[in-house]
Formats: sequence, C-alpha cells, structure tokens
Amino acid sequence: GAGVSQSPRYKVAKRGQDVALRCDPISGHVSLFWYQQALGQGPEFLTYFQNEAQLDKSGLPSDRFFAERPEGSVSTLKIQRTQQEDSAVYLCASSLGQQGSRNEKLFFGSGTQLSVL
Amino acid sequence: AQKITQTQPGMFVQEKEAVTLDCTYDTSDPSYGLFWYKQPSSGEMIFLIYQGSYDQQNATEGRYSLNFQKARKSANLVISASQLGDSAMYFCAMREGARAGSYQLTFGKGTKLSVIP
Repeated sequence: GAGVSQSPRYKVAKRGQDVALRCDPISGHVSLFWYQQALGQGPEFLTYFQNEAQLDKSGLPSDRFFAERPEGSVSTLKIQRTQQEDSAVYLCASSLGQQGSRNEKLFFGSGTQLSVL
Repeated sequence: AQKITQTQPGMFVQEKEAVTLDCTYDTSDPSYGLFWYKQPSSGEMIFLIYQGSYDQQNATEGRYSLNFQKARKSANLVISASQLGDSAMYFCAMREGARAGSYQLTFGKGTKLSVIP
C-alpha cells in the first residue's frame, strides 16, 4: 500500500488478555518505530527496528510488551496480560533510512486504539 | 525536565487569519532537528515542516513556516491563511544528535487548533 497500515483499528481486551497489534510499513522502508499515545498526550517512543534487528527497546514499559519484525517488513507489537494502564493508541511509523539522519521524517499509520476493561 | 514544551492546550483562529503555535525545547546537544506534525481526528500523524539546528534560514512549506529562535530555544509554527481543514492537534517534536543511533522523535503534549468559520 501507499502508506503505513495498522490493524486492528480498534481493540477491546479484558484485563489479563494477550493482544497483538500489526503494522505494515511503507514498502522498502528500513526503519520502523512503535509509539504509545495516551489520551491527551503526545506519542511516546516504545521501540525501534532497523530491518529485522530491534536496535532499541528502551521505551517498552515492562516485560509484558514484546515487539518483533522477523522478515524486516511487517511488525507485531504484543502485550501480554493486559492491564488498564495499557489503554492507549499505539502508533507505528516507518522511514526510509537506516540510522536516520537528523532531517529524516517519519510516516505514521492511523494507529490501533486499545481499550482494556 | 520536559524536552519539548507546548504551553497552549487549545487555540482558536478565525478562518483566513494567521495563527502561531508555540514550542520550546531543551537540549544540550548542538546538533538536533525539530519537526511539526498534524494529527487530525483520523489519528494519523502528518509531517508538516522540519528545521535543523544548523539551518541559517527559517523553514517554510507552503502555508507553514517555522519561527526558529535558537538562543531562546523556541520553534514556533506559523500557519497563514487558516482553513477549516487545519482544525487538528499539532505536535512539536525533536530528534537529538548526529551520533549513530539517534533516531527517535520526542514529542510535546500538543496544541488543539480549532478554526472558526
């Protein structure tokens, strides 16, 4: 597709359930990012991939969060044993370059809105 | 300390008028990039404009311009001739450093702009 695609658009989970969020970046984009956006806040960095390598996972809030990009294209963000504080919009972004020059812009998807009841 | 501060939670502007959205930033790195993104109700973050720390001139992109005052560490977005479609959340973001691995964007909390007909 032409842009970054995320699915599902909305996800409702019961507390304790596992969820998987999918991101399909722009074809050929090397870099892929996951961000978490709480209601009324700006996006916060979760993790970064360069191709299939996860180079930075410093933003993941706990070991319940896990991300993968096994073939260097589609990525999945998995949250185990969801809790109410995990409720947020999860944004995926991709960019063309590898390390990312200062001026390289990110292309974002529309996000997955996760609600944990 | 917050790296990106947007002090205006909400702004109103009359259609066809100009509006300035404020952004101040905090970094000790001499090399950094500043970005503005627009987030309409659909949720997708749309890139608007970029300013590098070493750029001599203020950035412009169509109706968007960036008022960059390096000594004051401010990077205000100016939207000229506002349109109804400009109603959205606006986020200021920064990427620090020229060192390898500097890739993630840090976002402010955003400003909600409402354009009045």
